[in-house]
Amino acid sequence: NAGVTQTPKFQVLKTGQSMTLQCAQDMNHNSMYWYRQDPGMGLRLIYYSASEGTTDKGEVPNGYNVSRLNKREFSLRLESAAPSQTSVYFCASSEPWGLAPNEQFFGPGTRLTVL
Amino acid sequence: AQSVAQPEDQVNVAEGNPLTVKCTYSVSGNPYLFWYVQYPNRGLQFLLKYITGDNLVKGSYGFEAEFNKSQTSFHLKKPSALVSDSALYFCAVRALHQTDKLIFGTGTRLQVFP
Repeated sequence: NAGVTQTPKFQVLKTGQSMTLQCAQDMNHNSMYWYRQDPGMGLRLIYYSASEGTTDKGEVPNGYNVSRLNKREFSLRLESAAPSQTSVYFCASSEPWGLAPNEQFFGPGTRLTVL
Repeated sequence: AQSVAQPEDQVNVAEGNPLTVKCTYSVSGNPYLFWYVQYPNRGLQFLLKYITGDNLVKGSYGFEAEFNKSQTSFHLKKPSALVSDSALYFCAVRALHQTDKLIFGTGTRLQVFP
């Protein structure tokens, strides 16, 4: 099992350019997440998907869009990149919580720099 | 609103000594609390979680955490630190009414010196 995979690992964009970050998981999880990690800020949730075809905004959704293409894949799109979006982006997945919370499994991250 | 605080940006400890990484929480209702670890250039890895029951929770790599309701704390501990424990540690709490979402603390960098 590869777990959660993300592409690309690194990306440099110019202000105004667009790009899509790809994420896939092979654990048959229903829930998937996109986070950004910034120094001193911890991880902040950008978007969340409870199942195929559903998405929900997180704490910092502005400037981003997402697509839950199928159960495996959850992509994050920056339509017009801004320097404030320079960050490390993590995708995660988990089983939906029932009686007890389940841990999230994280991908290796994408380091994005916007010039 | 649910929140966690990690009051220390960095914790330094000598190898073989006990370590503690602090976390305090503020929640409405029952707290569901987590610890994750992030090694350099890697994604986060789950260490342990508290749901209910025993206040001492045991997790991966010899770590444990003590839930203290009166002090609203969930400190991460290990009896004997290893240099390989050096990493960034995050405390997290379940977001209110949003069962699958977590709110993360700002992280504490643990440095274990030989």
